[in-house]
This record gives sequence, C-alpha cells and structure tokens, in this order.
Amino acid sequence: AQSVTQLDSHVSVSEGTPVLLRCNYSSSYSPSLFWYVQHPNKGLQLLLKYTSAATLVKGINGFEAEFKKSETSFHLTKPSAHMSDAAEYFCVVSERSGYSTLTFGKGTMLLVSP
Amino acid sequence: DTGVSQDPRHKITKRGQNVTFRCDPISEHNRLYWYRQTLGQGPEFLTYFQNEAQLEKSRLLSDRFSAERPKGSFSTLEIQRTEQGDSAMYLCASRFPGGGNTEAFFGQGTRLTVV
Repeated sequence: AQSVTQLDSHVSVSEGTPVLLRCNYSSSYSPSLFWYVQHPNKGLQLLLKYTSAATLVKGINGFEAEFKKSETSFHLTKPSAHMSDAAEYFCVVSERSGYSTLTFGKGTMLLVSP
Repeated sequence: DTGVSQDPRHKITKRGQNVTFRCDPISEHNRLYWYRQTLGQGPEFLTYFQNEAQLEKSRLLSDRFSAERPKGSFSTLEIQRTEQGDSAMYLCASRFPGGGNTEAFFGQGTRLTVV
C-alpha cells in the first residue's frame, strides 16, 4: 500500500522569496517519487522525479526536491519564487518495481504575490 | 503532436444519460491509466491497462463505469446512467514500458458536467 500526505493545502509567498512545499509518503516497497504541477486549465506536467539515484533531485524551472528515507519526506523547494510559479502542485508516489499505479496527494496551491 | 490526447475536452450531459470518453496515449507507451479529479482534490486512480489487459480497477469504479482498450492502443471510458456525483475531470495518462520509476504523461482531461 502507498499514500502521500501534502502537509499544506495552500502556501503563500512573495515573489523572490523561497518556496517550500512539504510532502510525506508511505510505501510498503522502495518508492519512486514525483512532483507534478498543474496550471489553471492546463494538463499535469512533471517537475521532477526520484528513482533511487541521487537523493537531491533537480527539476525544471529551478525546482529541487530531496528524498529523505529516514523522514519519509520528499519536500519541494525553489530558492526564489516567480509569479509564473503560481499553480497547484502534486506529490506522487509509485512503487519502483512492477506495474505500480501512481498515488497522488491532495495538492498544494502555491500563491505568489508581487 | 505526440502527447496524450483526450476527446472530448468538455461534456455536459443530463442525469441518467450515458457518456463515453476517448484517450489516445503516446504511441510507444503500453501502460494506460484513468484518473478522476474533483475540485480541490488530487487525481484519484480509477483503472489501469497494460496493453489490452485491464490489470487493476479501483473501488471507485462502480458497475456503471466500464473501460476498454481493445487493441492496446486507444482507450474508452464509459459511464452509464450518469449521476451528478460523476461531475469531475477525467484524466488519462500513459507510461513507457518498465517499472514504477518512469513518469506518466497526462492528457488535458475531459471535464464532465452532469445536470
């Protein structure tokens, strides 16, 4: 069984300040972890993924995430927010082996103010 | 365009009617998923195909829902006797052959409104 908890439903930041979106996961097996972004009226887009190589993963648009097995966390960060980052972000877990489905968190809405 | 495409993008139907949605995955992807997303929630898994075989179905998929992938290419999701609670965004995703470490590519979704 696998599950994801996104600890904040909304995060508000000012443009130019750091972003932290928190995610905890539960998985019976070695997990693969993903962050997807969904802009209004747009499809889900992959930001980055962790699949057992480096624990610090770099993605598109300056986002990073760090896999911490001891804390079962995969938090998403960005040093400096941009207005275009305003969107909904989903943390996703998948079992690394087999045909595993993708299990989504409930999402975190990122609001960026000027 | 080589992405995942879904048709229609929007569907408004009266309660009790049947609706069918289509998904065309990326051509070399043998794995295909259907998800449902309601306002303020993350996508919820409905069903999964590997080639033409339906390998997993969620408990969310009541007997009014049926999905097919007849030749291992496109897929259809049919909802019979629609209810207002079926109003949601229905998302299709496809994935390259392999384990759980490959990402899924999502279509734009079909937004269903049951009136």
